[in-house]
Amino acid sequence: EDKVVQSPLSLVVHEGDTVTLNCSYEVTNFRSLLWYKQEKKAPTFLFMLTSSGIEKKSGRLSSILDKKELFSILNITATQTGDSAVYLCAVDSSNTGKLIFGQGTTLQVKP
Amino acid sequence: DAGITQSPRHKVTETGTPVTLRCHQTENHRYMYWYRQDPGHGLRLIHYSYGVKDTDKGEVSDGYSVSRSKTEDFLLTLESATSSQTSVYFCAISSWDSYGYTFGSGTRLTVV
Repeated sequence: EDKVVQSPLSLVVHEGDTVTLNCSYEVTNFRSLLWYKQEKKAPTFLFMLTSSGIEKKSGRLSSILDKKELFSILNITATQTGDSAVYLCAVDSSNTGKLIFGQGTTLQVKP
Repeated sequence: DAGITQSPRHKVTETGTPVTLRCHQTENHRYMYWYRQDPGHGLRLIHYSYGVKDTDKGEVSDGYSVSRSKTEDFLLTLESATSSQTSVYFCAISSWDSYGYTFGSGTRLTVV
C-alpha cells in the first residue's frame, strides 16, 4: 500500500529559528513529490520535486528530494509568524494525478 | 480563486439525509478530485474524474458517489449522511503540467 509519512506532526518554534520538516514515502511508481502550505483554508502549492538532489528554493523556503532514500525535506529559515500553518507533503504515483498525502506537520511560530 | 469554486461553503445536515456538494471549474481541466480532510489523516481521496462521465474510486469512497456530466462540474453525493462523514471536503483540479493541484476553498460539512 502506498504511504506518505510526515514528521514531526507538530512543531513550535520562535521567530528567527530555522525548521526542517520531513516527508518519507513508499509508493509503487513515483512520479513527483509536492509540498503545500495550508493556513485556514485550501492548501496552496509550494514546490514540486521530481529529481534527486536538485534544490527548489523560494525566498526563505527550500526543499530537496532524495529518491534513493525515499524522502524529502522542507526547510524554512528565519521563520516568521506568517509561516504558521500546516505543511502537507504529497506524492503522485499514478498517471491520473491522484495524490497521496501525508498527515501534515502543524508549525506554530511564536513571536 | 484560480477558477475553482465549491458550494456550499458550510452545511449542517441530519443523519440519513442525502447531501450533494458541488465543484465548479472554469479552467477546462480534465482531472477533478474530491478529498476529505480530517485531523490526523491529512487529505484522503474519495473519488476522482478524468473526463466527462469518467470517474473512479479513491481510498475512502464508501458512502459517496460522484457525477460529472460536464467538464466544469463535479458533484459529490453522500447518499445517506452519517456522523463519520462530518469533515472538510476539498475539490481539486489538475492540469498536471507543472504545478499539481489547485484546490477549492473547501466545504465544511457537519452531520448531526
